[in-house]
Order: sequence, then structure tokens, then C-alpha cells
Amino acid sequence: NAGVTQTPKFQVLKTGQSMTLQCAQDMNHNSMYWYRQDPGMGLRLIYYSASEGTTDKGEVPNGYNVSRLNKREFSLRLESAAPSQTSVYFCASRFSGGSYNEQFFGPGTRLTVL
Amino acid sequence: GNSVTQMEGPVTLSEEAFLTINCTYTATGYPSLFWYVQYPGEGLQLLLKATKADDKGSNKGFEATYRKETTSFHLEKGSVQVSDSAVYFCALTPVSGGSYIPTFGRGTSLIVHP
Repeated sequence: NAGVTQTPKFQVLKTGQSMTLQCAQDMNHNSMYWYRQDPGMGLRLIYYSASEGTTDKGEVPNGYNVSRLNKREFSLRLESAAPSQTSVYFCASRFSGGSYNEQFFGPGTRLTVL
Repeated sequence: GNSVTQMEGPVTLSEEAFLTINCTYTATGYPSLFWYVQYPGEGLQLLLKATKADDKGSNKGFEATYRKETTSFHLEKGSVQVSDSAVYFCALTPVSGGSYIPTFGRGTSLIVHP
């Protein structure tokens, strides 16, 4: 049981380049989330998927797109990277159906945009 | 909307000292409350949770009690260790809304010296 896995672990991009961050979970969770973490800002929600086939914007969606490929996988795409997108990105999943279930987080992707 | 306020860090303690990290929240109804811990270079992981008023969550010597009257969920530990050095996040999940999007505090960094 691997939990939540993310690839890559580290990435350096030049301004304007594109890339996709991959996330997968093997816990049969309905809901999946993408966050970014910046110093002093805590966690900010980029996009989430409450269930397979649905996605919704979070607090900071500009510059990002997502795909819920199937129940296991939820990818985050940067179409044209900007230095402001330098951050640590975390994917999380959760079994929905009540407020009492916790989120499970991946190890993060550390992205630098030059 | 929902919000979580945590004391700002860093909190610096000597080993075996008593720890309190304050957390207060604003939410409608009776949300579920969580403490997550993030060790350096890792993702967040659940430390403890409480799902109704007066519940006490506990794990690894840490405790927090859900106080509805003061809308608080303060984290405590009687004797901290160097290995407890990490960032601690308080979070809530609302009881209504269907998607149950968690709200996180900004995190409190704990540094424990030998």
C-alpha cells in the first residue's frame, strides 16, 4: 500500500515551459486535491476533484489545469510556467462521505521556475 | 466562511519542556478538527483528530480537546523531544457543503533543542 505518490520529486523549469505533475493514490479514495505551499502562506488549494469525473477550482487556480484521469490519478498541468509558480506542490486524497475523514498527503514536488 | 487561526512561530523549546500550540476556528455547525504534522522535506500526516465537541484526540503523547464554547483545539504535549521538531497545522472540515473542503491554518514551526 503506497498511499499517495507524486512524480517528479524535484523539477527546474524555465519561464514559459510546460509540465505535468503526476499524482496517484491506491486507497480507493473519492476525493483528490492539489495544494501549493509557500513560506509563511501555509497550504493553498489549487484545484480539487470531489469524485471521478469532476474537478473544481480552489483558492489559487490561475495558471493551472487539472485532469482526473480515473479514480486513482489526478494530474496538475502548468501550461506556461512563471517564476511565481516556484513552490512545493502537494497532492492529497480523502475518502469523502463525511466531515470526519482525514486527508492523506503525498511527499511533494519541489518546483523551481527560473 | 471558515477560518483557522494558529499562533505564529517559530516556537523554540528545550527538550522535556511543555508544549502548547494555540488554534482557534470559525465555522458554522460542528466541524471536524485535525492536527497535522509536517517533518522536514515530507508531506503532511495526520497527528490527531476530534469529530465532536468535548472529544479529545491523542497520539504520540500529543493531545487536543475540541472546545465548542471557545471554538478552540489547542495542541499540547507534556514533554517534547528533539524528534518533535516539525511544522504543525491545525485544520477543520465543515459538516455541510457536500465537498467537505478542509481549511488549514498557516502552520506553526516547532524547534526543540537538546
